[in-house]
Amino acid sequence: SQQGEEDPQALSIQEGENATMNCSYKTSINNLQWYRQNSGRGLVHLILIRSNEREKHSGRLRVTLDTSKKSSSLLITASRAADTASYFCATGTNNNDMRFGAGTRLTVKP
Amino acid sequence: GAGVSQSPSNKVTEKGKDVELRCDPISGHTALYWYRQSLGQGLEFLIYFQGNSAPDKSGLPSDRFSAERTGGSVSTLTIQRTQQEDSAVYLCASSPRGGYSGANVLTFGAGSRLTVL
Repeated sequence: SQQGEEDPQALSIQEGENATMNCSYKTSINNLQWYRQNSGRGLVHLILIRSNEREKHSGRLRVTLDTSKKSSSLLITASRAADTASYFCATGTNNNDMRFGAGTRLTVKP
Repeated sequence: GAGVSQSPSNKVTEKGKDVELRCDPISGHTALYWYRQSLGQGLEFLIYFQGNSAPDKSGLPSDRFSAERTGGSVSTLTIQRTQQEDSAVYLCASSPRGGYSGANVLTFGAGSRLTVL
């Protein structure tokens, strides 16, 4: 079963704009991670935020986590055409199983 | 190996046949995961192996699906009597940690695309 729910399902923006994707989940978590997928194949890890953290940055990526609302957001600043991909949140629990959401399909138009 | 290797990359089979999908995780990774992804959809959790512990099989959709992990390394996902709805990309991932030791980052293979005619 899936744990996270991403919102929106699809997002289309112009190059240079910021992209914000949201993720909501249902159960208690140990950590939350964001992954990127190109061409329907393997996923690549982007960033991890632990349950005791509220915000994390990595390059053009900014992730926030609100455990009281069971939600997270991923912000990609100054988007590029190469950022076009599907983005998934994944939640980790104390026994380390990882459950993924349905994903957000991001299209960045040049 | 340097990454997670999955084989075959593509498999076309006839309804009712059995298929085996293989995953070679990164050497030393104690945790191994199988997911299924239908076209344009999210990842559906299937099964999770953690070291020598009993696997978490809670995501297997039916008793036609089974998986094993040999010697804590290579894993095989077996689908018996395949149905058309089994058509999907089957993704394997491994991670260096198992159990409550903090967060684990998954490294994914490229997937095995299964088409059941």
